[in-house]
Amino acid sequence: QKEVEQDPGPLSVPEGAIVSLNCTYSNSAFQYFMWYRQYSRKGPELLMYTYSSGNKEDGRFTAQVDKSSKYISLFIRDSQPSDSATYLCASHSGYALNFGKGTSLLVTP
Amino acid sequence: EPEVTQTPSHQVTQMGQEVILRCVPISNHLYFYWYRQILGQKVEFLVSFYNNEISEKSEIFDDQFSVERPDGSNFTLKIRSTKLEDSAMYFCASNGGQPGEKLFFGSGTQLSVL
Repeated sequence: QKEVEQDPGPLSVPEGAIVSLNCTYSNSAFQYFMWYRQYSRKGPELLMYTYSSGNKEDGRFTAQVDKSSKYISLFIRDSQPSDSATYLCASHSGYALNFGKGTSLLVTP
Repeated sequence: EPEVTQTPSHQVTQMGQEVILRCVPISNHLYFYWYRQILGQKVEFLVSFYNNEISEKSEIFDDQFSVERPDGSNFTLKIRSTKLEDSAMYFCASNGGQPGEKLFFGSGTQLSVL
């Protein structure tokens, strides 16, 4: 069941660029939306969390949820080579997370 | 920051053998989870565990799988008779169980079934 869809990329940008990562979801019951970052051979690490619709900003990262269109976005400003990783969107209505497939991001110096 | 630890980091087994993957969740957490990620695929939910019983499980978590909290610190995933398609990275996670609460993941156990 493809509840969360995400373009796997890869996405390659130069250092300093603004990165836009996106997901769509299908389950209207989803209330909680997260972005995780995953480095190779590591577990996912929570970056951003939002509840319901709206924006949330944390440093260079902005998460956006539009429940009317079932669209989730993550923006990274002034991207750095250390941002190179796989970014996973996730959502749930209870406890079990539904992950997207992840977008592989490469920020080149 | 506290960590979820998983052992071993890599497990190789023969098809049909039983494997036990081990996890030590963060000590004051109440909910424990197993997820898996087949190479190139999504991270998929397997099971959640609270108060010594399964609270939720996915259709992947069939009779070949079981979980246990054998003591106050460990949380294990057993696969009774491994199949080739069980080859994946298995992640343990834990949190306090509040809706939307941050989930802490371990670094995973790479299971290779030959």
